[in-house]
Amino acid sequence: DIQMTQSPSSLSASVGDRVTITCQASRDIRNYLNWYQQKPGKPPKLLIYDASNLRTGVPSRFSGSGSGTDFTFTISTLQPEDFATYYCQQYDNLPYTFGQGTRLDIK
Amino acid sequence: EVQVLESGGGLVQPGGSLRLSCAASGFTFNDYAMNWVRQAPGEGLEWVSGITGRGHKTYYADSVKGRFTISRDNSKNTLYLQMNSLRADDTAVYYCAKELTAVGAFDPWGQGTPVTVSS
Repeated sequence: DIQMTQSPSSLSASVGDRVTITCQASRDIRNYLNWYQQKPGKPPKLLIYDASNLRTGVPSRFSGSGSGTDFTFTISTLQPEDFATYYCQQYDNLPYTFGQGTRLDIK
Repeated sequence: EVQVLESGGGLVQPGGSLRLSCAASGFTFNDYAMNWVRQAPGEGLEWVSGITGRGHKTYYADSVKGRFTISRDNSKNTLYLQMNSLRADDTAVYYCAKELTAVGAFDPWGQGTPVTVSS
């Protein structure tokens, strides 16, 4: 199975900050990488697919980049509604696997 | 509006069985692969199983292979997950999710149905 490792596991930041989360795959997954946001008690929501494509309706302050084994997810200017847990997910190979999540808290 | 809605979760004893359902609406159901993803209490996301649009191919995580069966009834726009020989570590919220074509991304997800395996 492909292991996905996110860093950091948790992060404290303030409204207006720029935040970056990284995701590393245990082997080359090309650009087959998606990012989700999950708030407590709610299902995950897709934000970015294929490493860098913004899902329709997702604010442009969210972005993603990378290919191969190393990927980055960025929120350019944190808004109050962005405090949540973020997950990466690969689909290059079954079983689909997720990173362990990055919890983003208010500082 | 594209929606999926799970049902069928509950409390079951170890070794027992449960069948989850997922009702889909707002899209041409048989055009899309569907998946089940679970989340144990306080934990991350784990993909469980997937099925192609016509139902010809099914896929499973090793942790559930041989115990869970995914299926779909395209005439009813409904996805199922038959769970047998349940164990305590199957306790989780089970989400149904539509898979975007050729992208392997899950969108949207249902609200989830909780499954608790305990005596």
